[in-house]
Amino acid sequence: GDSVTQMEGPVTLSEEAFLTINCTYTATGYPSLFWYVQYPGEGLQLLLKATKADDKGSNKGFEATYRKETTSFHLEKGSVQVSDSAVYFCALSSNQAGTALIFGKGTTLSVSS
Amino acid sequence: EAGVAQSPRYKIIEKRQSVAFWCNPISGHATLYWYQQILGQGPKLLIQFQNNGVVDDSQLPKDRFSAERLKGVDSTLKIQPAKLEDSAVYLCASSSLSRAFFGQGTRLTVV
Repeated sequence: GDSVTQMEGPVTLSEEAFLTINCTYTATGYPSLFWYVQYPGEGLQLLLKATKADDKGSNKGFEATYRKETTSFHLEKGSVQVSDSAVYFCALSSNQAGTALIFGKGTTLSVSS
Repeated sequence: EAGVAQSPRYKIIEKRQSVAFWCNPISGHATLYWYQQILGQGPKLLIQFQNNGVVDDSQLPKDRFSAERLKGVDSTLKIQPAKLEDSAVYLCASSSLSRAFFGQGTRLTVV
């Protein structure tokens, strides 16, 4: 069945460092891909998404490009801030409406000043 | 707009007891989901409703879990009897056409 694999955490960075969180997927057909973020004490929030190959999702300085040839959707940010400390989840949906999500295990990011 | 509301936020019960969680989705959202998030893992879909009908409950342990969505709005998820391995955060989400919105979840501890 469909699945998502993302890099193990925790990831610990200093402020202004470059961030990459790897995510690969297995799916039949052409899924939509997502990154969700969970800040401490808050619910899951959509960070960005891409619905077809070569699409780039972006939000709050984060970017991820849908790479069908490598079945990947890596999350990147050029300069992280302390406020980016959170748990990041990669997810896919085989439903065109972008629901019924399948999640990876999550990667904890901790940014220090 | 108001978000997805869930209650209670926390619940501690003994094994073999029963427990129920409540979810009020965003107004107008026809699709509602319950996910289970075990510590250190990503959320796993338990059940999906479209209005008051079940779309997918293939991963719901039906011997102990049940869910309903009367009138196509609020939903309840029940566990009876609870096991230690049911300790998790139970997330409710609702969606419009292309985006799912999540509640803050109910953290269940079974002792």
